[in-house]
Amino acid sequence: EIVLTQSPATLSLSPGERATLSCRASQSVSTYLAWYQQKPGQTPRLLIYDISNRAPGIPARFSGSGSGTDFTLTISSLEPEDFAVYYCQHRSNFGGGTKLEIK
Amino acid sequence: EVQLVQSGAEMKKPGESLTISCQGSGYTFTSYWIGWVRQVPGEGLEWMAIIYPGDGDTTYSPSFQGQVTISADNSISTAYLQWSSLKASDTAMYYCARRDFGDPFYYWGQGTLVTVSS
Repeated sequence: EIVLTQSPATLSLSPGERATLSCRASQSVSTYLAWYQQKPGQTPRLLIYDISNRAPGIPARFSGSGSGTDFTLTISSLEPEDFAVYYCQHRSNFGGGTKLEIK
Repeated sequence: EVQLVQSGAEMKKPGESLTISCQGSGYTFTSYWIGWVRQVPGEGLEWMAIIYPGDGDTTYSPSFQGQVTISADNSISTAYLQWSSLKASDTAMYYCARRDFGDPFYYWGQGTLVTVSS
């Protein structure tokens, strides 16, 4: 079974800064790599699918990249509403999450 | 509008059985995979199982194989997650979600909180 390791566990940044979140797979994955955002008390929201495709309605400041075993979610300029927990997912596996908090 | 509506919160004792449900509307229920995701309070997301209502095909995460049963009733566009004997460690929020774009979950239910305590 593929294990997804996200880093860092917590990322402290200020609004307007660029956020770079990492997801590393224990073995090479296909194009099925997705990213979700979850805010406290809310259901997860799909941001990115197939490594780099934004889901409907997702702002352009969110982008995904990577291949093989290393993947990145980038938020180009943080808005106040972007502070949340982010998860990567491939098939039946979720990463442990990265908490993006306000510095 | 696609909607997934889950059954309400449950409070159970260890050893009891439980079935929670997820009713889909606004789309052809038999044409999309529906899965279940667990979230223990304060922790991350765990992929549990998925079913294709069109033919009943199922896939379980190894972590949950044998612990739960996923099923669907196409006549009422409803998916189910069933436990035969609950444990305290089953206490969590459970989400159903529809698979879209080949693999990830795009539409989510509102969640069902299951509390197992003696």
